[in-house]
Amino acid sequence: GQNIDQPTEMTATEGAIVQINCTYQTSGFNGLFWYQQHAGEAPTFLSYNVLDGLEEKGRFSSFLSRSKGYSYLLLKELQMKDSASYLCAVAYSGAGSYQLTFGKGTKLSVIP
Amino acid sequence: DAEITQSPRHKITETGRQVTLACHQTWNHNNMFWYRQDLGHGLRLIHYSYGVQDTNKGEVSDGYSVSRSNTEDLPLTLESAASSQTSVYFCASSESVAGEQFFGPGTRLTVL
Repeated sequence: GQNIDQPTEMTATEGAIVQINCTYQTSGFNGLFWYQQHAGEAPTFLSYNVLDGLEEKGRFSSFLSRSKGYSYLLLKELQMKDSASYLCAVAYSGAGSYQLTFGKGTKLSVIP
Repeated sequence: DAEITQSPRHKITETGRQVTLACHQTWNHNNMFWYRQDLGHGLRLIHYSYGVQDTNKGEVSDGYSVSRSNTEDLPLTLESAASSQTSVYFCASSESVAGEQFFGPGTRLTVL
């Protein structure tokens, strides 16, 4: 089976930097996604990593270490609108199928 | 603009009734997915489809069925609704099997 762990909640200050970690155990690993979900809304895509290393996209960066089963999402220059849940999703393939398994999400609260 | 829509957005039904949730996308994506989201569980895959006439079971498929008669639609049917199926349901689609998924706005279903 697939197992994904990420912290349940985090709080950070406006303007600061926050790192949200995700660890996973899976077979047939085929990449890792990060999604953002505001309360009452649909998840929206943030990033995708399939190779080790850091992917930067504006204020958001995502890192992957496949050997350690570890990823993090880095949010810089936090804004109040960044208050949301952040979902780590591991892609895996096998027996002709390709699926995402989502973690339970990390609820980030940005305070003034 | 291309989009993915779900209807109804909210529904209340009674135990034992058949319920169908609609999902329609205008991106012409072959790949479509149904998830449910519950507190403490994150997003869980119910069924998915890689194209017309193709359907596959996900992690939590018991009590649900889907059909894919065209590219745009993947309706989800609850054959006999149970209180345990009270949840928020999200439909998603992707251009490639391994690509980012675009989520619909969700349907909040309550089974009394």
